[in-house]
Amino acid sequence: SQQGEEDPQALSIQEGENATMNCSYKTSINNLQWYRQNSGRGLVHLILIRSNEREKHSGRLRVTLDTSKKSSSLLITASRAADTASYFCAMLGGGNKLTFGTGTQLKVEL
Amino acid sequence: AAGVIQSPRHLIKEKRETATLKCYPIPRHDTVYWYQQGPGQDPQFLISFYEKMQSDKGSIPDRFSAQQFSDYHSELNMSSLELGDSALYFCASSLGLAGGKNIQYFGAGTRLSVL
Repeated sequence: SQQGEEDPQALSIQEGENATMNCSYKTSINNLQWYRQNSGRGLVHLILIRSNEREKHSGRLRVTLDTSKKSSSLLITASRAADTASYFCAMLGGGNKLTFGTGTQLKVEL
Repeated sequence: AAGVIQSPRHLIKEKRETATLKCYPIPRHDTVYWYQQGPGQDPQFLISFYEKMQSDKGSIPDRFSAQQFSDYHSELNMSSLELGDSALYFCASSLGLAGGKNIQYFGAGTRLSVL
């Protein structure tokens, strides 16, 4: 299975702090993407990093990818209460299907 | 901008009934994907279509079937429903087969409850 595992499973921080989520996967990938999901709602695409990239930024988001360690991290800087959601990494390997990680539930408290 | 439209948003069915979920991709997108997300679980890939042909298949039960029509919308047909089929069903679309920098855009999902 190419399923990714995310760490931590749950994270609770104060508004203004940074949040870091980690994703590890098992097999080679084409790209790795991060999605956000508010409780019971749809998946919102956040950022995509290709296998030949090491770091990518988008607004308050920073994603790193280490293919030698088969791991990625998502950093959300200066978090806001509205960032409260579940965050999933998703790997695109062979074929065109996404394999999702187990998710991190982030809670940002005022 | 237009997004992926799924209907219905909520569906309640009895065991052994059938259900049809519909997905309308983003205009000009030719690839559609179906995912199933059980309570507290991560989304699991079911099946995908590219240019109206099945392109990949995941853990989709034999009781389920899907197709993509000439207007690129897709339908997921589920028969002999079981309690364990209760889940959030997502459709996603992309332009061309995902890979490289192609991104899958997800709809809001259909919540299926089997009683």
